[in-house]
Amino acid sequence: SQKIEQNSEALNIQEGKTATLTCNYTNYSPAYLQWYRQDPGRGPVFLLLIRENEKEKRKERLKVTFDTTLKQSLFHITASQPADSATYLCALAGNTPLVFGKGTRLSVIA
Amino acid sequence: DAMVIQNPRYQVTQFGKPVTLSCSQTLNHNVMYWYQQKSSQAPKLLFHYYDKDFNNEADTPDNFQSRRPNTSFCFLDIRSPGLGDAAMYLCATSRDSVTVNQPQHFGDGTRLSIL
Repeated sequence: SQKIEQNSEALNIQEGKTATLTCNYTNYSPAYLQWYRQDPGRGPVFLLLIRENEKEKRKERLKVTFDTTLKQSLFHITASQPADSATYLCALAGNTPLVFGKGTRLSVIA
Repeated sequence: DAMVIQNPRYQVTQFGKPVTLSCSQTLNHNVMYWYQQKSSQAPKLLFHYYDKDFNNEADTPDNFQSRRPNTSFCFLDIRSPGLGDAAMYLCATSRDSVTVNQPQHFGDGTRLSIL
């Protein structure tokens, strides 16, 4: 069955550093991969989408990579700020509805 | 602002007492979804509507039903809630495709508690 793993449940990082979150998947060949941010008690908010033939996508301080050989996506937040503290979910899209990972809870410490 | 609105934000019901959660959208999107999310878990898709076509996930319990009377509104009915149904229920929309490359727009959820 399809399986999505996000590298750790929680990640603590110092303000100003680059946060790197990992999303690995098995038994799936997604055409697209999406990243969402979820704050406590709120719904997920879409951040970025990357296609299988794109290696990298950027939006302001965010960067996403997609390696279909490694079956992995990396999500980077550069110059991290306390306001970036949230849970970040990856989601795979293909010929079925989105399949979400559990997310990684990022805490940026001032 | 166009958005997805869920009411109520918090719902408490008794074990076995039917409950209905509602979702409305001003985005005029064709697809609406219902997810169940438990603490520190991935959102789990229960079902979705593509316009009026209803699509149930294979592992969604029969206890869960949905209605979509028009483009803007969608309801989640839990006929006989059990303690295991306590969770956050999220409604989402996408423009006109269930798959492929469209982002989903989520409401802020209804947190359901079962007494």
